[in-house]
Amino acid sequence: AQKVTQAQTEISVVEKEDVTLDCVYETRDTTYYLFWYKQPPSGELVFLIRRNSFDEQNEISGRYSWNFQKSTSSFNFTITASQVVDSAVYFCALSATTSGTYKYIFGTGTRLKVLA
Amino acid sequence: DAGVTQSPTHLIKTRGQHVTLRCSPISGHKSVSWYQQVLGQGPQFIFQYYEKEERGRGNFPDRFSARQFPNYSSELNVNALLLGDSALYLCASSPKSTNEQFFGPGTRLTVL
Repeated sequence: AQKVTQAQTEISVVEKEDVTLDCVYETRDTTYYLFWYKQPPSGELVFLIRRNSFDEQNEISGRYSWNFQKSTSSFNFTITASQVVDSAVYFCALSATTSGTYKYIFGTGTRLKVLA
Repeated sequence: DAGVTQSPTHLIKTRGQHVTLRCSPISGHKSVSWYQQVLGQGPQFIFQYYEKEERGRGNFPDRFSARQFPNYSSELNVNALLLGDSALYLCASSPKSTNEQFFGPGTRLTVL
């Protein structure tokens, strides 16, 4: 069975602080994809990044960076120098095709509050 | 380019009724997925369709069904509505089933 765990329900930081959102996943599939999405107060989910199971390279995009470690089944997301506009709920997700059937599993989300 | 569109935006139904939700994907996207998001929780996967065929199904009862049309738009149908079906229903499209998904604004369904 596949599972995504985001243990941090809510995090509050002061603007300009760095913050890391944790994501731990479980799957028996050897080929899978990991994603991060942002859901701002407006409600519409926004795609941030996709990683496939064979690509453990970390990635940096502006103030965002992602650390994928298969050894610990983790795909953590760091925001550097946080801003108020980063306030949102962030979801980690896993997709895989098992026996020809596709599944997409979201975590429960981490609510990030960035205070001015 | 237009994003994913969903209709209606809001819907109020009573228990036992039937509802149809509609989704138009981004032009060129052949995959459409449906999710249910209850307040305070992550989206729960309901279905994925790719090239008009069902490619994935989540743990939802048979009251939930969907289909994809030749123009890649999709409908989600829910029969015999229960109070617990009240949620935000999200549609997402992608070029292929394994790509990142682009979400629509959702349909807020309230069952009274």
